[in-house]
Amino acid sequence: ETGVTQSPTHLIKTRGQQVTLRCSSQSGHNTVSWYQQALGQGPQFIFQYYREEENGRGNFPPRFSGLQFPNYSSELNVNALELDDSALYLCASRQYSTDTQYFGPGTRLTVL
Amino acid sequence: GESVGLHLPTLSVQEGDNSIINCAYSNSASDYFIWYKQESGKGPQFIIDIRSNMDKRQGQRVTVLLNKTVKHLSLQIAATQPGDSAVYFCAEIPRSGTYKYIFGTGTRLKVLA
Repeated sequence: ETGVTQSPTHLIKTRGQQVTLRCSSQSGHNTVSWYQQALGQGPQFIFQYYREEENGRGNFPPRFSGLQFPNYSSELNVNALELDDSALYLCASRQYSTDTQYFGPGTRLTVL
Repeated sequence: GESVGLHLPTLSVQEGDNSIINCAYSNSASDYFIWYKQESGKGPQFIIDIRSNMDKRQGQRVTVLLNKTVKHLSLQIAATQPGDSAVYFCAEIPRSGTYKYIFGTGTRLKVLA
């Protein structure tokens, strides 16, 4: 196991709603990234947090936002959900000085 | 933009045979590459990595080859087992800019008994 956990496992929302996904990183991993993985596709980078600040972002609109906490946990928030937001959301953590990220099991979000 | 692609979406291999999964990348600035295995309903699992100053790296039953001249990466799995059945992704990490992994679509490996 990677030591990275995510909750909830599955989630169903309706279009227009807001959702918060949670991640708990390995102890000592001060960098966390979030990815969106659509069915049959590779993960797409959403953003990265280091020392509780966003320090990198992919091609995702501002309604995707995040938080990182001192206890190595983090959140992904998505506002105004759209049908295309249905995907597996993955959290990955690492120590800033290293390159290898370790992924959690993901949260499967379905937007109806 | 830069992308990482895979040549074959599905690869079927007899149990006990060797498997070779290929990956092409387009960003010559990338200096770190990782192969991940993803089983159904799970997150990507680290298999093996390689840096751009290396051509080959071996792990347990797995070998990664990097050809920077043609921007090609491959994963070789020796004596493929049923437990190797999964989707395999290569990830490319560019040297500069936002530290992000760029994944391809993935190759599904099916191990035939």
